[in-house]
Amino acid sequence: KQEVTQIPAALSVPEGENLVLNCSFTDSAIYNLQWFRQDPGKGLTSLLLIQSSQREQTSGRLNASLDKSSGRSTLYIAASQPGDSATYLCAVASGGSYIPTFGRGTSLIVHP
Amino acid sequence: DVKVTQSSRYLVKRTGEKVFLECVQDMDHENMFWYRQDPGLGLRLIYFSYDVKMKEKGDIPEGYSVSREKKERFSLILESASTNQTSMYLCASSSPGLAGVSTDTQYFGPGTRLTVL
Repeated sequence: KQEVTQIPAALSVPEGENLVLNCSFTDSAIYNLQWFRQDPGKGLTSLLLIQSSQREQTSGRLNASLDKSSGRSTLYIAASQPGDSATYLCAVASGGSYIPTFGRGTSLIVHP
Repeated sequence: DVKVTQSSRYLVKRTGEKVFLECVQDMDHENMFWYRQDPGLGLRLIYFSYDVKMKEKGDIPEGYSVSREKKERFSLILESASTNQTSMYLCASSSPGLAGVSTDTQYFGPGTRLTVL
């Protein structure tokens, strides 16, 4: 069964820093990997979707990479801003099911 | 713009009540999902549906049932609410994606915070 781990569980950084969030998964036979953002008390918003055949995706200040062989993905946030404060979740679709398995998220605080 | 709506943002019910949580999507998606989210446990899949009148159990279906009579609507039913079902409930939808195997991006509703007293 696929297991998804996100490290660190929480992160606090000053505004302007470049930062990296990590996601690891145990079964490398994946279909795709998604990164989501969740604001407190709200639903999830998709940030980036990487298909199995892709190595990375970019959107604005966000860049997500995928290394299937090592079972890892990273979300890079450039020049962080207070508005980036949220929980970031990684989800992996794999195996015989297309249902994504979610990590528990990294809670990010960017302070001015 | 893609939209998934849930019938209530906040709901308070009493133990033993029958509770209906409604989810509607306007994207003509085949797949719909119900999750619950609890601190320290992350998102856990309750049920999902890949077509009208079709349903599959997720990881934690006990105490829940679902109904999908129309493509755009997926209902979660708590037959007899209990205090351990106090949680944030999230609905999502997606299309089948490439070759009908992998899912495309999941779109989530705003969530329903359910409290069972």
